[in-house]
Amino acid sequence: GQNIDQPTEMTATEGAIVQINCTYQTSGFNGLFWYQQHAGEAPTFLSYNVLDGLEEKGRFSSFLSRSKGYSYLLLKELQMKDSASYLCAVRDRGNNRLAFGKGNQVVVIP
Amino acid sequence: GAVVSQHPSWVICKSGTSVKIECRSLDFQATTMFWYRQFPKQSLMLMATSNEGSKATYEQGVEKDKFLINHASLTLSTLTVTSAHPEDSSFFICSARVRGGTSPLHFGNGTRLTVT
Repeated sequence: GQNIDQPTEMTATEGAIVQINCTYQTSGFNGLFWYQQHAGEAPTFLSYNVLDGLEEKGRFSSFLSRSKGYSYLLLKELQMKDSASYLCAVRDRGNNRLAFGKGNQVVVIP
Repeated sequence: GAVVSQHPSWVICKSGTSVKIECRSLDFQATTMFWYRQFPKQSLMLMATSNEGSKATYEQGVEKDKFLINHASLTLSTLTVTSAHPEDSSFFICSARVRGGTSPLHFGNGTRLTVT
């Protein structure tokens, strides 16, 4: 099975940097995904990590440490539109299914 | 990019009726689609894996007779909520992965079901 833990909520100022953490336990790791979800909408894909290290995509970066069962998503130069829930999801090697964490609600203020 | 279309976006129905939700992959073939359910401020919970041409695989605790899944073609999966009750009200989201790839899931826009 899989167990995924994320902190629940944080507030940050426009232009700032925030780091959202995710820890997981899984019997067979096959990749970690970060998604953004605005209220009432479906999640949209942000990043994917399968090997240790940092993946950078514009203002968003994601880091993975498989030995520690840990990932973080870094959001730079925060904009108001970044106010959303950020979900990490772990894919299981055995069945290829994605298990989601509860998500971290980020509120960006002026 | 890969597009998943889900219909309807929202539906309000009376208790005891059935509701069908469609999920289509518009520009790719999806042998496997996934149905998730989400309650307010909660995570996405996987309900079932829909397999083209065969029976769906349901997660533990999900009632097969309550949530009927049919995956009749490589581009269409349907979820029918049978004899809906107010406690079934939630957000249902389907997703699919491009066939043969290790790509991320692409999600439909979700269906907000409200049972009165």
